[in-house]
This record gives sequence, structure tokens and C-alpha cells, in this order.
Amino acid sequence: GDSVTQMEGPVTLSEEAFLTINCTYTATGYPSLFWYVQYPGEGLQLLLKATKADDKGSNKGFEATYRKETTSFHLEKGSVQVSDSAVYFCALSGSYIPTFGRGTSLIVHP
Amino acid sequence: GAVVSQHPSRVICKSGTSVKIECRSLDFQATTMFWYRQFPKQSLMLMATSNEGSKATYEQGVEKDKFLINHASLTLSTLTVTSAHPEDSSFYICSAVPTSTGGTDTQYFGPGTRLTVL
Repeated sequence: GDSVTQMEGPVTLSEEAFLTINCTYTATGYPSLFWYVQYPGEGLQLLLKATKADDKGSNKGFEATYRKETTSFHLEKGSVQVSDSAVYFCALSGSYIPTFGRGTSLIVHP
Repeated sequence: GAVVSQHPSRVICKSGTSVKIECRSLDFQATTMFWYRQFPKQSLMLMATSNEGSKATYEQGVEKDKFLINHASLTLSTLTVTSAHPEDSSFYICSAVPTSTGGTDTQYFGPGTRLTVL
């Protein structure tokens, strides 16, 4: 079945550091790929998405590129802020049921 | 933007009682809603797919008699945890898919409900 693998956290960075959170997937067909963000005590918010190979999703300084050849959708941000501290989930939607990764906690220190 | 609300946001109940959680799409119609359960520091576990006007589809291992789902309208789905026990304590999150999009690509999530069973 479909699956999503994320790097384990927590990822701890200083403000203005470069961020990469790795995500790889296995799926049949051509799924859409997503990154969601969850702030403490809240539900998930869609951060960005890509629907086909080589698409780049971007939002709020975050970006991720749909790499079919490496089955990856790594999340990057050039300069993180304390307010980016949250849990980030990689997900795919191929078959009818959406599939989420385990989440990666990001902690940004001033 | 598309907004999904959940009520209550937090509930504490005694063991053996039933708890109802509401999920509403506030500014769009949703034929399909999903119910998830999230354990501390873990990912979301899909519990069931709720379709308006029909029976919910439960994931393997989820007791349908314990977690009753009703999707009575295009803007409301409810999850009732019957005879709750401490092991049911968790964070329950719903999501809704706008009918206009026709697929599962675009899910809008509610803020979640923290259930604590004493």
C-alpha cells in the first residue's frame, strides 16, 4: 500500500538557519503530495502541495519539489523563524485514502 | 478560505459515558469528511471516511459500534465515542473535502478535539 517516510525529529535550529525536512513516499500511480503544519493544540493546516512530477509547491517561504525519480518531496526554507516551530507532516493522496507521515517536530530558537 | 470547526475543543468525561464530537464545514459543502485520531507525538490515524447520506467506511481495526459516525448533512458530521474508556483518550481531528473539488486532494482540517476519559 501507499506509505510516507519522514525524517525523525525533533529538528532544532537557530533563527535564520536553513531548513530541510526529508520526505519519501511509495505509491502506485501518480499521487498528489502535501506538506501540512500543526501548531501546538491545533489541527492541521495545508502548507503547500504539488500535483505532478517536477511541480514545486511554495508558501510562506517554504517550498518542496515533487521528484518522481527519487520519490521524494523534501521541505525547505531558507531562513526559519521562531514562529515556524511546529510539527510538519508530509502526506500523499493517490488512492482514495490519504496517507500521512509520522510528522517531524521543528524547534527554532531565537 | 475554507473553514472547518469542531466542537467541543476539549472534553473530559467519566469512564462509561458517551461523547459526541461535531465537525462542521462553515463556508462550503462537504460530501466527504474524514475522522482521524492522533496519539501524542504520532501521526494521524485515519479512523473512518464519512459520506453524506450513507454509512461510514471504517478502517481496519476501528470498532464501528464504538465510534459511531453520522453525516446527516453536507456541512455536518458527528463522531460519538460510546462507553468511553481511558484508552479512548486522544486528539480527534476531522477534515472535510469540498464537494466542488470532487476528490480527496484538498482536505481542510478542523482544529481538533482533545478527549480525556477519567
